[in-house]
Amino acid sequence: DAGVIQSPRHEVTEMGQEVTLRCKPISGHNSLFWYRQTMMRGLELLIYFNNNVPIDDSGMPEDRFSAKMPNASFSTLKIQPSEPRDSAVYFCASSFNVADTQYFGPGTRLTVL
Amino acid sequence: GIQVEQSPPDLILQEGANSTLRCNFSDSVNNLQWFHQNPWGQLINLFYIPSGTKQNGRLSATTVATERYSLLYISSSQTTDSGVYFCAVDNQGGKLIFGQGTELSVKP
Repeated sequence: DAGVIQSPRHEVTEMGQEVTLRCKPISGHNSLFWYRQTMMRGLELLIYFNNNVPIDDSGMPEDRFSAKMPNASFSTLKIQPSEPRDSAVYFCASSFNVADTQYFGPGTRLTVL
Repeated sequence: GIQVEQSPPDLILQEGANSTLRCNFSDSVNNLQWFHQNPWGQLINLFYIPSGTKQNGRLSATTVATERYSLLYISSSQTTDSGVYFCAVDNQGGKLIFGQGTELSVKP
């Protein structure tokens, strides 16, 4: 299996622009998680889906952030408009079920200038 | 919410040495996982261990759920073991809370 796939791997954008991060979970996994990693706050869960349905989005920082999972093999995390404080590494992870072992993608390093 | 504390925050070892990393958590959990983040940023799952003991090669882990702690043992450390080790716990059915990590550096 190819593992969790994320794109792009690096994104540099200017403040105010829309950013879309993409994730393809491991085939057969029913749960998908979006995390953000920063030096100040460490690794934080933003939102997670089970069977394509958002279960807990309490970690989404504000309305500028949105996430979708239109089907079992694809999810997006969108930031609109982006701000410099959104600069971080964003990870996607998947697991067979919600409380199972989580497998992480390589991450997207986002820089907002 | 549940609190996760890892110790020590930093650790420097000579190649071949053994080490023990600790994870304390403030409430009962139904999910505990250990991860290694390598120097290139990749997060690798080491163990899924809400209770009991598991071993995988030179690594082993023990979770004592009743006393709210978990230990990760690294034996005969190698330079490739360098990186950050994270403990993550969940008691709400999916929402993993990560500790701040232990940064390990193994010197040749």
